[in-house]
Amino acid sequence: AQTVTQSQPEMSVQEAETVTLSCTYDTSESDYYLFWYKQPPSRQMILVIRQEAYKQQNATENRFSVNFQKAAKSFSLKISDSQLGDAAMYFCAYRSNAGNNRKLIWGLGTSLAVNP
Amino acid sequence: KAGVTQTPRYLIKTRGQQVTLSCSPISGHRSVSWYQQTPGQGLQFLFEYFSETQRNKGNFPGRFSGRQFSNSRSEMNVSTLELGDSALYLCASSFGTEETQYFGPGTRLLVL
Repeated sequence: AQTVTQSQPEMSVQEAETVTLSCTYDTSESDYYLFWYKQPPSRQMILVIRQEAYKQQNATENRFSVNFQKAAKSFSLKISDSQLGDAAMYFCAYRSNAGNNRKLIWGLGTSLAVNP
Repeated sequence: KAGVTQTPRYLIKTRGQQVTLSCSPISGHRSVSWYQQTPGQGLQFLFEYFSETQRNKGNFPGRFSGRQFSNSRSEMNVSTLELGDSALYLCASSFGTEETQYFGPGTRLLVL
């Protein structure tokens, strides 16, 4: 069974600085997707970034980028120029692209605080 | 486009009661998935529906059930509520089963 591990329950960053959130996963599959979702306090889950496993190029979305290391099964999220609005719970998630089982498997999350 | 909507947003029930939660997906999306979020267990998959058919089911007891209607709206039902069912229930929709899931605001259920 696939698992997702986020080893940093809490992190903090100064406004305008850069922070990296870690995620590792375990799978025997070769075709899958990885996601980072953001859940602000009392607000809904928002997709931050998505990575297809077959793509070697790391995904980027404005200030958000990932470091995808397929062999190491690592998928870290880098937030550049951190803003107060980036404060949230960040979840790493895995989804198989094989068969009919397309459910998201989640890490336990990293709570990110942004200090002014 | 309007996002995923969930009703009600908050619910308080007592043990033994049953509850029905509703989810309206983004227009044009045909796949709906449900997740339970608790502080202790994190996010856990409940079930996924596509074109009115349940495609996947998570490891939850039979008290948890769901369905999807022809307009892609989905409901989930929990019967004989237990204290441990207190959670945030999230619904997510996607165009197809392979597409990115977009989440609603959730229904927060408190069982007393």
